[in-house]
Amino acid sequence: GAGVSQTPSNKVTEKGKYVELRCDPISGHTALYWYRQSLGQGPEFLIYFQGTGAADDSGLPNDRFFAVRPEGSVSTLKIQRTERGDSAVYLCASSLRSGRGYNEQFFGPGTRLTVL
Amino acid sequence: GNSVTQMEGPVTLSEEAFLTINCTYTATGYPSLFWYVQYPGEGLQLLLKATKADDKGSNKGFEATYRKETTSFHLEKGSVQVSDSAVYFCALTGTSGTYKYIFGTGTRLKVLA
Repeated sequence: GAGVSQTPSNKVTEKGKYVELRCDPISGHTALYWYRQSLGQGPEFLIYFQGTGAADDSGLPNDRFFAVRPEGSVSTLKIQRTERGDSAVYLCASSLRSGRGYNEQFFGPGTRLTVL
Repeated sequence: GNSVTQMEGPVTLSEEAFLTINCTYTATGYPSLFWYVQYPGEGLQLLLKATKADDKGSNKGFEATYRKETTSFHLEKGSVQVSDSAVYFCALTGTSGTYKYIFGTGTRLKVLA
């Protein structure tokens, strides 16, 4: 079946602009995660959705970052007034969530954001 | 808070050499531990996992044992191939809540023919 998909694969924008990054999770996966991977670093957690609600947004760096998942499937990460420091690969992952316990997260290919 | 420390790379080995990539962690409770691999131009893939102390995860000839006494989860392979060249990430999740991953910084492995 289809894996996690992310669009666009690459996004180049200018400082101060607004961007939206899209994630399509695996069908039936209720949990969705966003991570950010800076050059030479491991991915860092941004936000977690269980269904439509953001259950944990403790990783969002500041209020310029916002994410939604209005129908419990597709999610959009939104960045306002982009800064050069926002340049990174933004990863999305999804997993089943059937009560307690760990479920494997499946990662998308990422969106490479470059802020000039 | 929880954290993961893994050895810095790059690690360069000849084909058929023995591989060890060290990973240690700091966590409350009993986290689950993982190794992910990122091949050139591809996304993150789960390589192996262990969910409780003394468990051994294995896949594609790679192994790692969850050692609670040393808070370690070192990745090993007895004979590496050129196709193993990639970046390897050690990661953990907590035992409740969001199950978000905490990753190490990654170790680049280059295997020479």
